Amino acid sequence: EAGVAQSPRYKIIEKRQSVAFWCNPISGHATLYWYQQILGQGPKLLIQFQNNGVVDDSQLPKDRFSAERLKGVDSTLKIQPAKLEDSAVYLCASSFGVMNTEAFFGQGTRLTVV
Amino acid sequence: ELKVEQNPLFLSMQEGKNYTIYCNYSTTSDRLYWYRQDPGKSLESLFVLLSNGAVKQEGRLMASLDTKARLSTLHITAAVHDLSATYFCAVDGGGGADGLTFGKGTHLIIQP
Repeated sequence: EAGVAQSPRYKIIEKRQSVAFWCNPISGHATLYWYQQILGQGPKLLIQFQNNGVVDDSQLPKDRFSAERLKGVDSTLKIQPAKLEDSAVYLCASSFGVMNTEAFFGQGTRLTVV
Repeated sequence: ELKVEQNPLFLSMQEGKNYTIYCNYSTTSDRLYWYRQDPGKSLESLFVLLSNGAVKQEGRLMASLDTKARLSTLHITAAVHDLSATYFCAVDGGGGADGLTFGKGTHLIIQP
């Protein structure tokens, strides 16, 4: 079974530029999550989708971050404009359903903002 | 706000020894997860604990959950170098929003 796919693996941008990350979840997984992991910390949930609807985006900085999941499969996370403090690994995860189901993580995209 | 605290945050131990990592969380939840992360890698699921009193074991690792005390433990038996990694516990928000809240992680170094 293929895992959660993310691209790109690495990205370096200057502050105030924009950047987008892509995620393809495990086939058949209805729930998709984006997490931000700053170096030395645990991942922090940014947004959760159930199919193509948003379940929780309470921790998403909506002035600069946006995410969509068209057709309930792939998802993109965008940052515009980027700040230095956005340097982190952005992890995508998916699970089969909402309740009592295990989330599987992708390899992540390491973003460096200079 | 759900908070998850792990201790210790750093642990250096020798091969063959036993040790326990503790995870406390601040609100009622019946679901707790343990993940392993190697440097530069993503998160690997180790255990999913779904009810009070749940105990799961895989090799030298054993995890347990006490929902009344809001406490989970990850016990390492006769540690080996290959278990060196960062271990995270995480709790979900419950209801329809089950995104995970993670602890800060326990950075474990096992010396030969």
